[in-house]
Amino acid sequence: NAGVTQTPKFQVLKTGQSMTLQCAQDMNHEYMSWYRQDPGMGLRLIHYSVGAGITDQGEVPNGYNVSRSTTEDFPLRLLSAAPSQTSVYFCASSPGLGTGELFFGEGSRLTVL
Amino acid sequence: DQQVKQNSPSLSVQEGRISILNCDYTNSMFDYFLWYKKYPAEGPTFLISISSIKDKNEDGRFTVFLNKSAKHLSLHIVPSQPGDSAVYFCAASLGGSARQLTFGSGTQLTVLP
Repeated sequence: NAGVTQTPKFQVLKTGQSMTLQCAQDMNHEYMSWYRQDPGMGLRLIHYSVGAGITDQGEVPNGYNVSRSTTEDFPLRLLSAAPSQTSVYFCASSPGLGTGELFFGEGSRLTVL
Repeated sequence: DQQVKQNSPSLSVQEGRISILNCDYTNSMFDYFLWYKKYPAEGPTFLISISSIKDKNEDGRFTVFLNKSAKHLSLHIVPSQPGDSAVYFCAASLGGSARQLTFGSGTQLTVLP
């Protein structure tokens, strides 16, 4: 029962570096999304996808890119990391748009120096 | 401007007593509300939800109450157990859609043995 798997769990970057946070789910969920969690801010939606080949922006998309080539995978790319992107990132998936129940990964803690 | 607010960052209760976690929202279009629980180093997990057509939903020790006129919901945990110690996030959505999930900032519940 893997569910939603995120890698890496921890990453330290220097300002300007790029990297990709990986997310994979084995539940055949159509909907996937990325959130970031910051102190006092709750979770904020970065990007989401309603199916392979379809992505859209959430509340805080700037500085991030996503793609969805398969149902299982939804990587999040940081093009040029900034200290403001220091955060904990969560990938989530859902079987559909009906209930709003999201299944989350364990999170990836990113520090940008 | 946060549309979903949890004004209490923390709450401590004795084991066996009732825990009441509160959440306010400003967008009257929200029609589906959820509570998520999060342990350290884990992703949030779905706890309970309520549709705007109801004012109460119960699941074992957990009950969610919705007061639409006050734009307020609360989560009651009775009796509280030490294993309930976690951060609780309330979230709201439009049309039950996972893509429109807006989270509060969370409340850290500590249940004292």
